[in-house]
Amino acid sequence: AQKITQTQPGMFVQEKEAVTLDCTYDTSDQSYGLFWYKQPSSGEMIFLIYQGSYDEQNATEGRYSLNFQKARKSANLVISASQLGDSAMYFCAMRENNQGGKLIFGQGTELSVKP
Amino acid sequence: KAGVTQTPRYLIKTRGQQVTLSCSPISGHRSVSWYQQTPGQGLQFLFEYFSETQRNKGNFPGRFSGRQFSNSRSEMNVSTLELGDSALYLCASSLAGANTGELFFGEGSRLTVL
Repeated sequence: AQKITQTQPGMFVQEKEAVTLDCTYDTSDQSYGLFWYKQPSSGEMIFLIYQGSYDEQNATEGRYSLNFQKARKSANLVISASQLGDSAMYFCAMRENNQGGKLIFGQGTELSVKP
Repeated sequence: KAGVTQTPRYLIKTRGQQVTLSCSPISGHRSVSWYQQTPGQGLQFLFEYFSETQRNKGNFPGRFSGRQFSNSRSEMNVSTLELGDSALYLCASSLAGANTGELFFGEGSRLTVL
């Protein structure tokens, strides 16, 4: 069963606008963590934001925020004021309980920012 | 603070050969994880090392192996290379916790098997 689902293979957004990238997950664990990474064409996976399952507030990091809806098992990434440099693949990932460095990744969303 | 360093960045091998990839984690990080990324399978977890011990393992054949040294640097080895092993191999490091801490990735080693 797919544990991380990103339903948007590709998305376009106008520069300076906000965009939401969808991510739903499936786990029976009560303790887990959710991650978002950005992967430009160079290949490096850049860490963006992290949300723990017990965190009561949505995580924010600069222009990135994570819209965490636990009951719906969704962890959408919101990028505000898009920039041309935001064009990249974006991956949602989950770490289940006590799994350390083992992340389960979604298939990714390719974001293109238009000038 | 230096990030995760992977070497070599690019390499080309032929079927049947073996390859060794290296990963130096962020200073102070004791956990190193390895991932394989291919267009067909996406990102898949290979294994994780913590304090020189394999702490977790993905679903890959025994041709894929790894180790970690006392300075937390890690190597992964693929023996008897197959065409399907062509991929971007990514290494990630984190502080230590099994349930906490972000994972930071390197730029990857892109392996082509001919």
